[in-house]
Amino acid sequence: EPEVTQTPSHQVTQMGQEVILRCVPISNHLYFYWYRQILGQKVEFLVSFYNNEISEKSEIFDDQFSVERPDGSNFTLKIRSTKLEDSAMYFCASSAQWRAEQFFGPGTRLTVL
Amino acid sequence: AQSVTQPDIHITVSEGASLELRCNYSYGATPYLFWYVQSPGQGLQLLLKYFSGDTLVQGIKGFEAEFKRSQSSFNLRKPSVHWSDAAEYFCAVGVNYGGSQGNLIFGKGTKLSVKP
Repeated sequence: EPEVTQTPSHQVTQMGQEVILRCVPISNHLYFYWYRQILGQKVEFLVSFYNNEISEKSEIFDDQFSVERPDGSNFTLKIRSTKLEDSAMYFCASSAQWRAEQFFGPGTRLTVL
Repeated sequence: AQSVTQPDIHITVSEGASLELRCNYSYGATPYLFWYVQSPGQGLQLLLKYFSGDTLVQGIKGFEAEFKRSQSSFNLRKPSVHWSDAAEYFCAVGVNYGGSQGNLIFGKGTKLSVKP
């Protein structure tokens, strides 16, 4: 069964460093998403991506964040200068159609020290 | 603003007992509603969804949920819980504005523990 994969499963970084979180969505999907979950809090929407551009982004997704689909398979989330408050679990998701079921990856736990 | 409330942070039930997890939403239009389950170390797996039509929806693993517009609720139920159901359960509403690609708004989750 096709699934969304994410690497790494856990990333530890120093404050101010850049990190890139990687996702491989399901191959025939067209819509891609990033969500995050700070420990003990809700899963929050960050950004959606369609047709090689950002469709929608939340208030959380400020200038330090960027997304890219560098090739036909990967979907990345870059945090340019990490802050302590960026520590969270980051989930990638993809869907085949608008409003269709979103399939989630297992997440990357980011720890900023 | 749209929101999803799961009032129970942690629920413990005995194996074989029935289960109901509560979810209330706040959304101006007809919502798209989802229940996801997350086992430790795993991603979020869709249990069931409601878009329109029959307000009682069946999902995987024997779960069902009922959409009640008058109560703004979408409670998840299972008649007989199995030990493998122990996980965290998230209710979500799909936001649908013009141009929106349908991002999800999640509740804080309910952790389910199952006693033998």
